[in-house]
Amino acid sequence: QVHLQESGPGLVKPSGTLSLTCSVSGASISTTNWWSWVRQTPDKGLEWIGEMFHTGSANYNPSLKSRATISVDKSRNNFSLRLIRVTGADTAIYYCAGGPPAATLESWGQGTLVTVSS
Amino acid sequence: DIHMTQSPSSLSASVGDMVTITCRTSQTISNSLNWYQQKPGKAPKLLVYAESSLQTAGPSRFSGSGSGTEFTLTISSLQPEDFATYYCQQTYDTPPTFGGGTKVDIK
Repeated sequence: QVHLQESGPGLVKPSGTLSLTCSVSGASISTTNWWSWVRQTPDKGLEWIGEMFHTGSANYNPSLKSRATISVDKSRNNFSLRLIRVTGADTAIYYCAGGPPAATLESWGQGTLVTVSS
Repeated sequence: DIHMTQSPSSLSASVGDMVTITCRTSQTISNSLNWYQQKPGKAPKLLVYAESSLQTAGPSRFSGSGSGTEFTLTISSLQPEDFATYYCQQTYDTPPTFGGGTKVDIK
């Protein structure tokens, strides 16, 4: 049973950088899973941010205009999201998730609320 | 992006009812369609993948079907724990996109 847990600041200033980490337990991050970030807002619903394989291959949502970067840390068995130049529109619940290729998301973290505000 | 339209956006039903939720896509997606269940304050949970395959340990009262651009999630006999919001997701093209959700509540 794969368990995922998000961590990171709950408040980020406008134009700053959002950084979140997802700790993976119950499985090695170097499995056949792809590791994803998804966010949710009342207005836009569920939005896929991107995914990464442990080899470094990654796919991103073009709507984020290259602001997002996902990285994997095999030594710590975790993966991270970095989102630069944030605005209020980036306020959301952020989930980490994992599963087979093409974003079929079998395992999810509990989610963490990130608010962008000064 | 492939646009996903779910209907209805909400419905009220009773325990024991059969419930059907529809998801329409803006282009054909083969069978690359997943369904998730989300309860308040919780993360979504994968129910059905690849249009009709039930996720491991998923209740057999859930079933998925469809083809092309129209897909359905059916709950054969609604149980108290099924009151939740349901989302469809296409994985045919990048970026994967989700429907707006269907909230199932108690009549």
